[in-house]
Amino acid sequence: GAVVSQHPSWVICKSGTSVKIECRSLDFQATTMFWYRQFPKQSLMLMATSNEGSKATYEQGVEKDKFLINHASLTLSTLTVTSAHPEDSSFYICSARGVGLAKETQYFGPGTRLLVL
Amino acid sequence: EDKVVQSPLSLVVHEGDTVTLNCSYEVTNFRSLLWYKQEKKAPTFLFMLTSSGIEKKSGRLSSILDKKELSSILNITATQTGDSAIYLCAVGGKLTFGQGTILTVHP
Repeated sequence: GAVVSQHPSWVICKSGTSVKIECRSLDFQATTMFWYRQFPKQSLMLMATSNEGSKATYEQGVEKDKFLINHASLTLSTLTVTSAHPEDSSFYICSARGVGLAKETQYFGPGTRLLVL
Repeated sequence: EDKVVQSPLSLVVHEGDTVTLNCSYEVTNFRSLLWYKQEKKAPTFLFMLTSSGIEKKSGRLSSILDKKELSSILNITATQTGDSAIYLCAVGGKLTFGQGTILTVHP
């Protein structure tokens, strides 16, 4: 139980394009989803928290107009990196908390590696 | 601002050794401490600790929380090469992660 998927696993794009990453909870309803970014040899940095049906809460220093988050249903959240630039290249990971699971535990998706050329 | 510090940052051992990883925290409103293992992809959940002094165990891995010392340890006994990974500690409802401990187990 508590499986989270992400799509795509890998994306390579040109500078200036937008990239959408999907995060799905497969066997539970995710009331809250989190988006993290991880640079090589660094820990996970929380970007934003999203609750189903409401606007995402962004961490300090994260541009909400650049990283658009939508949590339209209890099983799907999307992160869109708009006008991506090489410095946005990173490993993006989502996690979810949900109905019927241990309250504080987050379950992570497999991550999406983004490379912007 | 919540702060989580892990030590050591990196550890290299041989198979069969026992290792202890440390996590200390400063948070305004402690709710829980979680341990994750990260290999090539995203972290996988190991333990969640909320009560001081109660050991959680899963096979060769165990962990315990000390709320007085604001810390936790993760023990791995009889290490195997498959234990090589980054071990992450996180606290809070909105998880604040430590920088991780890179464990390398040589055959």
